[in-house]
Amino acid sequence: DAKTTQPTSMDCAEGRAANLPCNHSTISGNEYVYWYRQIHSQGPQYIIHGLKNNETNEMASLIITEDRKSSTLILPHATLRDTAVYYCIVILQMDSSYKLIFGSGTRLLVRP
Amino acid sequence: DTGVSQDPRHKITKRGQNVTFRCDPISEHNRLYWYRQTLGQGPEFLTYFQNEAQLEKSRLLSDRFSAERPKGSFSTLEIQRTEQGDSAMYLCASSHRRGANTGELFFGEGSRLTVL
Repeated sequence: DAKTTQPTSMDCAEGRAANLPCNHSTISGNEYVYWYRQIHSQGPQYIIHGLKNNETNEMASLIITEDRKSSTLILPHATLRDTAVYYCIVILQMDSSYKLIFGSGTRLLVRP
Repeated sequence: DTGVSQDPRHKITKRGQNVTFRCDPISEHNRLYWYRQTLGQGPEFLTYFQNEAQLEKSRLLSDRFSAERPKGSFSTLEIQRTEQGDSAMYLCASSHRRGANTGELFFGEGSRLTVL
């Protein structure tokens, strides 16, 4: 599976958009980009995933560059409850295990 | 609550003792995963089951670790002769093989192990 690179930490003001980048320059054509987050003392939680097109759901938007070498997770109006570690993961959809390989993620702090 | 449940949530034990963790996945989820997480690190994959079959084990899973899922429902993770390095959060997750979003794993809140 392709490796990902994320900033160690970021912060944003409550109510503003949080843009979390992820670099996956070695991604292959049939690998998906998944985002999870982990709030303190809880298990990881799925946020969103995509292959080529931009995706949006009730939690966030995912913007994938045309060359697919990087992506950005957007939390449009961050709240204090969005303070968490965010993981960008690339997985091969045809891999029968679908196991997730987590990196160290980005620690997002939402400031009041 | 129909989420993934893990028991116990916290376990303190002395070095050399055996411990067992239980995971009850979401009903009808045929895939079950175990992860380990130490402070400040992302979760590390240990093993996964499809139904009752254990299909993959990480090299992190030494011979002191054993996982079972006897009837394809709940799973247990046993650690024998615990060492201080085993202190971690043990996370369980489940998912359903079919469907469009098979990369969506549902995690429990974990079982925190402290080995004294």
